[in-house]
Amino acid sequence: GDSVTQMEGPVTLSEEAFLTINCTYTATGYPSLFWYVQYPGEGLQLLLKATKADDKGSNKGFEATYRKETTSFHLEKGSVQVSDSAVYFCALMGLTGGGNKLTFGTGTQLKVEL
Amino acid sequence: EAGVAQSPRYKIIEKRQSVAFWCNPISGHATLYWYQQILGQGPKLLIQFQNNGVVDDSQLPKDRFSAERLKGVDSTLKIQPAKLEDSAVYLCASSRRGGLYNEQFFGPGTRLTVL
Repeated sequence: GDSVTQMEGPVTLSEEAFLTINCTYTATGYPSLFWYVQYPGEGLQLLLKATKADDKGSNKGFEATYRKETTSFHLEKGSVQVSDSAVYFCALMGLTGGGNKLTFGTGTQLKVEL
Repeated sequence: EAGVAQSPRYKIIEKRQSVAFWCNPISGHATLYWYQQILGQGPKLLIQFQNNGVVDDSQLPKDRFSAERLKGVDSTLKIQPAKLEDSAVYLCASSRRGGLYNEQFFGPGTRLTVL
């Protein structure tokens, strides 16, 4: 079945550091790929998405490129801020049973310090 | 536009008791999802509704979990009887309709603790 593997946290960075959170997936067919973010005390929010190979999703300075050849969708940001501290989830969506099911990774906690 | 509403936000019960969670999706959203998020894991889909019909309930433990969406709007998820391993955050999400290109919007979740 479908699965998502993402790097374990917590990840602790200094403000303005470069961020990479690795994500790889296993799926049949051509899934859509997503990054969700969960800020403390809040619900999951869609951060960015890509629906086909070589697509680049971007939002709020974050980017991720859909790499079919390596089945990866790594999240990057050039300069993190304290306000980026949150848990980040990589997810894929494939058509199963007639619906559209999101399969999530285990999440990576990011802590950004001054 | 109001987001997905869930209640209660927190619930503590003893094992073998029953509990119910409520979700009100974004107005006009035909598709509603319930996810279970155990601490340290990603959310796992329990059930998906399209209007008031079930699209996917393959991962719902039907011996103790039930869900309904009678009028195609709000939904309830029930656990009876609860087990210790049911301690988790229960997330409700909605989208305009099913399909790969419809963003799912999540509520704040209900944190359940089973003692």
